[in-house]
Amino acid sequence: SQQGEEDPQALSIQEGENATMNCSYKTSINNLQWYRQNSGRGLVHLILIRSNEREKHSGRLRVTLDTSKKSSSLLITASRAADTASYFCATVPAGYGGSQGNLIFGKGTKLSVKP
Amino acid sequence: EAQVTQNPRYLITVTGKKLTVTCSQNMNHEYMSWYRQDPGLGLRQIYYSMNVEVTDKGDVPEGYKVSRKEKRNFPLILESPSPNQTSLYFCASIPRRGGGETQYFGPGTRLLVL
Repeated sequence: SQQGEEDPQALSIQEGENATMNCSYKTSINNLQWYRQNSGRGLVHLILIRSNEREKHSGRLRVTLDTSKKSSSLLITASRAADTASYFCATVPAGYGGSQGNLIFGKGTKLSVKP
Repeated sequence: EAQVTQNPRYLITVTGKKLTVTCSQNMNHEYMSWYRQDPGLGLRQIYYSMNVEVTDKGDVPEGYKVSRKEKRNFPLILESPSPNQTSLYFCASIPRRGGGETQYFGPGTRLLVL
């Protein structure tokens, strides 16, 4: 069951510009995570924001979470060519049970940063 | 170095020939999981395991089996592979279930079933 939906599907910007990606989800969550994937390779965790948090920063990354709108955004500031990758949001459903470890991924945003 | 390893990384096989993709983690994590990634569909969970001898179906379990005899290993078994199982497969682990913590992903196994 797909939960997160990223928007846009693809984004092309110039180096130095900011990149904003959005994620919407359907059900209550424990937390929301953003991952990065370079072409055909493994996923790398970027940042986790819990349902009781509204904003989080990590280096050039800024994540916001609006649980009332069931949405999150990932902002990459001062982008670099090396930021070119696909970015996925993933949610952990709220509640207890074995499936709480099941990350439900969106389809991703493909970011291209041109030098 | 803490990591999740998968083998093989690339595999070409034919319909019906049983295969196993191994996954191993050296972090003593309780929870392990298999995902497949397909264009336009993102990542979907196949099976997960909350601990040794405890496994359960994810969103797309048909055609797959798993086992968890030891904490560190979580192999994915395709008893009779079919072309629709051509995909990129990822194994992942987290320290314990219920914490919603970061998942550590393996490098991926690219499978082509002819």
